[in-house]
Amino acid sequence: DSGVTQTPKHLITATGQRVTLRCSPRSGDLSVYWYQQSLDQGLQFLIQYYNGEERAKGNILERFSAQQFPDLHSELNLSSLELGDSALYFCASSETDSTNSPLHFGNGTRLTVT
Amino acid sequence: AQKITQTQPGMFVQEKEAVTLDCTYDTSDQSYGLFWYKQPSSGEMIFLIYQGSYDEQNATEGRYSLNFQKARKSANLVISASQLGDSAMYFCAMREVSGNTPLVFGKGTRLSVIA
Repeated sequence: DSGVTQTPKHLITATGQRVTLRCSPRSGDLSVYWYQQSLDQGLQFLIQYYNGEERAKGNILERFSAQQFPDLHSELNLSSLELGDSALYFCASSETDSTNSPLHFGNGTRLTVT
Repeated sequence: AQKITQTQPGMFVQEKEAVTLDCTYDTSDQSYGLFWYKQPSSGEMIFLIYQGSYDEQNATEGRYSLNFQKARKSANLVISASQLGDSAMYFCAMREVSGNTPLVFGKGTRLSVIA
């Protein structure tokens, strides 16, 4: 168990809908990352927060947004969903923002858009 | 340009044998970190091992070791005494210091351990 909690485990929704994925980092970790894993794109970095502030942004669509709250949990909001958004969404956390601080991943949320 | 290259889509290894999973990377930074992760069929991503670019010794963690060749920009994962539970996808990843870059992953290698 990595200590990173993601809810829900599975989500099935229709095109055009909006969903919220939730992540609780490991105790003491200040940095939270969101990744999307799909068969054709592999693991793609979406966004990173450090202690409540956005630190880095990757290939995150404008329809997607995220935030990190004062208690350090994070939410990823996906709106106007399309079939192509179906993927496994991972949250990860790390103790610091330094290069040698490994990311610890949650079990992921599997999103299916029908 | 792809930063992490894993050229072996799939590998087979006999139980109790050692196996090497290849990883090459591309960076102009002098300071960076290299990571390996395991993803079993259940889906979770498990951190295995870390190697810093300035580390002189190859990293080891139990049955996992990292064969780091800086000049060749390779960071191969060696799994000794393979077990059936080692069957999984293995991802190599890199994080550069400059530009606050995120952890970038390769496309992975699927390892199958045969009894």
